[in-house]
Amino acid sequence: GQQLNQSPQSMFIQEGEDVSMNCTSSSIFNTWLWYKQDPGEGPVLLIALYKAGELTSNGRLTAQFGITRKDSFLNISASIPSDVGIYFCAGQDGGATNKLIFGTGTLLAVQP
Amino acid sequence: DVKVTQSSRYLVKRTGEKVFLECVQDMDHENMFWYRQDPGLGLRLIYFSYDVKMKEKGDIPEGYSVSREKKERFSLILESASTNQTSMYLCASSLWGPQHFGDGTRLSIL
Repeated sequence: GQQLNQSPQSMFIQEGEDVSMNCTSSSIFNTWLWYKQDPGEGPVLLIALYKAGELTSNGRLTAQFGITRKDSFLNISASIPSDVGIYFCAGQDGGATNKLIFGTGTLLAVQP
Repeated sequence: DVKVTQSSRYLVKRTGEKVFLECVQDMDHENMFWYRQDPGLGLRLIYFSYDVKMKEKGDIPEGYSVSREKKERFSLILESASTNQTSMYLCASSLWGPQHFGDGTRLSIL
């Protein structure tokens, strides 16, 4: 099945640093989603984007829906140890079945 | 808040057994999904359902079947478990927007 290109694959940063990750696709999406997965848990929705160019924040997290509708990025400002986990992007084409295409994930490690 | 509950967090079964993984959601969502997650391969869609008694194959349906007799419940069945089905299994549900996930079942087949 199709997967989105997500980068970087992993990041090892110091507490307090800012983080940026992005996803690109060869297809156009109507919705971009960002999830976080803690070890041993299921993914939890962080941010949903529904309009090209949209910039949305959730606390220290900011995500944008690319103008071309083929990409999205997620920024985390002033990282803290509990930001550790795997971050996934997902695209949705708006079809009737509500299927998602997932990115390969970005593993984030934050050193105190 | 949406709650998606998977019946077991950890499960150990033997090769050849028939295995049932259960998932229940409490938000009257039309759509339900089963994924497996393996290191380096991300989330792969096994089966999904957009209504009671309706099901469609995802990307990797071989060796699996599903059942949706009631709207809130979606079951994944491993007809004859094999060691290559050892994995983390995630259930999700949605209405029209984002999917909401359960905590996952880590299944080991010995």
